[in-house]
Amino acid sequence: EAGVAQSPRYKIIEKRQSVAFWCNPISGHATLYWYQQILGQGPKLLIQFQNNGVVDDSQLPKDRFSAERLKGVDSTLKIQPAKLEDSAVYLCASSLEGGGYYEQYFGPGTRLTVT
Amino acid sequence: AQSVSQHNHHVILSEAASLELGCNYSYGGTVNLFWYVQYPGQHLQLLLKYFSGDPLVKGIKGFEAEFIKSKFSFNLRKPSVQWSDTAEYFCAVKGLTGANNLFFGTGTRLTVIP
Repeated sequence: EAGVAQSPRYKIIEKRQSVAFWCNPISGHATLYWYQQILGQGPKLLIQFQNNGVVDDSQLPKDRFSAERLKGVDSTLKIQPAKLEDSAVYLCASSLEGGGYYEQYFGPGTRLTVT
Repeated sequence: AQSVSQHNHHVILSEAASLELGCNYSYGGTVNLFWYVQYPGQHLQLLLKYFSGDPLVKGIKGFEAEFIKSKFSFNLRKPSVQWSDTAEYFCAVKGLTGANNLFFGTGTRLTVIP
């Protein structure tokens, strides 16, 4: 089965610019997650979708970050405007359902550098 | 609030040495516990998980972990490491009540010297 796809793999932007990341989860997976992994830290959940609805976005900096999953499949995460501290790897993951018993499958991530 | 502590930031071992990576979590309710591994240049993948039952769980590639509820620990072990085990290892916990998202530790980098 195909894994979680993400693009781009790398992105370099200047501060105050905007950037968008794309994620295509495993087919049939209802739940999609976006994580931020800063160098030297573990992944931190930004937002969780169940189909096209938001389950948890408590850690998403809503003044600059936004995410959508309009048709319950693909998702995009946007940062506008970017700050230096947004430099990180952005991971997308998906699972069959959102409960604690479902394994999350991770994509390769997008490495963002903000200069 | 949930938290996960991995006290070993970087571990260096020779091949055939035994491995134990520590993981402690803070959470008041029932949890599911996970170890993920990230090999160089690859994405995060599940190594093993504990949901319930036997507190000693076995995962892929000869890894195992023991859940000790009284110590809030879920340490990862392997009796004899190989060069191919060089990777970053993340412990994670998911609460089953309230906010049930996955909380990760900061990771432990394992370097195995041939």
